[in-house]
Amino acid sequence: SYVLTQPPSVSVAPGKTARITCGGNNIGSKSVHWYQQKPGQAPVLVMYYDGDRPSGIPERFSGSNSGNTATLTISRVEAGDEADYYCQVWDSSSDHVVFGGGTKLTVL
Amino acid sequence: QLQLQESGPGLVKPSETLSLACTVSDGSISSSNFYWDWIRQPPGKGLEWIGSIYSSGSTYYNPSLKSRVTISVDTSKNQFSLKLTSVTAADTAVYYCARHLMSQLHSPWDYWGQGTLVTVSS
Repeated sequence: SYVLTQPPSVSVAPGKTARITCGGNNIGSKSVHWYQQKPGQAPVLVMYYDGDRPSGIPERFSGSNSGNTATLTISRVEAGDEADYYCQVWDSSSDHVVFGGGTKLTVL
Repeated sequence: QLQLQESGPGLVKPSETLSLACTVSDGSISSSNFYWDWIRQPPGKGLEWIGSIYSSGSTYYNPSLKSRVTISVDTSKNQFSLKLTSVTAADTAVYYCARHLMSQLHSPWDYWGQGTLVTVSS
């Protein structure tokens, strides 16, 4: 089955840029979605179809997807961005959803 | 604004059946062309997709849970439901219901319920 690999943790200083990766075999051929989850809350969609941003999500959030890696980039990181981030795809070869293991973003 | 609310027992005994419902407010399941899903998250762990149901009733399930899962729609109550049989402690999790952004399974979820914790214990 299809596997998505995320780093368990990423740390960044306020005002800097955070890059959270999601690796998968030829993931560039799939559509990747990203969710932000804060403690005790439901996930929130922050990026969809690789690089589309839902309304209400700051322009500081951007996404890209090519080859074997998709990336969620957060510019000018703020304390409020500290959360777990999950990537997700639909695996059409097996007709089911696949999640990455999640990345905990820590703002130093 | 569409709202989803999970409901059901917070405690289930091992080997029994977990049953949850998701009530949809400010939107009709039957008249919509969307997929409605269940997703779960064990304490301290990541997200796991359980399955999807279309407004017409067609379903897709996680292969790892397929033999134990049934998702159904009750249009009279504007709800969709989850049944998971033969539960074990490994099924202890926060269970979320969610709706896809578009009428395709490859679309993301844009509306989520708040989640409900189900503990499997005797």
